[in-house]
Amino acid sequence: DAKTTQPPSMDCAEGRAANLPCNHSTISGNEYVYWYRQIHSQGPQYIIHGLKNNETNEMASLIITEDRKSSTLILPHATLRDTAVYYCIVRVAWGSQGNLIFGKGTKLSVKP
Amino acid sequence: GAGVSQSPSNKVTEKGKDVELRCDPISGHTALYWYRQSLGQGLEFLIYFQGNSAPDKSGLPSDRFSAERTGGSVSTLTIQRTQQEDSAVYLCASSLGPASPLHFGNGTRLTVT
Repeated sequence: DAKTTQPPSMDCAEGRAANLPCNHSTISGNEYVYWYRQIHSQGPQYIIHGLKNNETNEMASLIITEDRKSSTLILPHATLRDTAVYYCIVRVAWGSQGNLIFGKGTKLSVKP
Repeated sequence: GAGVSQSPSNKVTEKGKDVELRCDPISGHTALYWYRQSLGQGLEFLIYFQGNSAPDKSGLPSDRFSAERTGGSVSTLTIQRTQQEDSAVYLCASSLGPASPLHFGNGTRLTVT
């Protein structure tokens, strides 16, 4: 079973920041937080991941709380092309448990 | 650069037939994964290859499903005696290693009639 909880859906106005929350209260010390998204009819796309520090790349920022029990993915200026299902996943970095366990994700709808 | 390539992109088969789905991972990626996604559902893990280690087959739903990875590169997922409930999108992903992000292909849409 997925070890994360996400709201099933969210709306965001085009050009505004989209803040997608994720709860992972049972995360272990050796587990990373990964975010992927899936646009209709495509395979999932990697966005960002982190262990305990906040991370930023060209796509998004990841804010992880100090206790690591929750995180927020931030898309700073959402566009219509960001409409997708966003998956928050915790994953052991090493060993045979390298596969991702996907939950139901958050369906983000960016509206004009 | 080239991403993960899957073929065919669509496959329609009759119930009871065998099918083979192919995945070409990103060059140099040692880890390869198969997932499937049924209509409106989340992704279901099937099997995981890491280098020369024995594959993790814990997600295969029945003994009709098998997969192999030849030469540490191309992988084939085989479904024998297909059933209608096998209809789904089968996704392949690869990564540099177990600690690296997965990169997915766009999948093979399998329809069993």
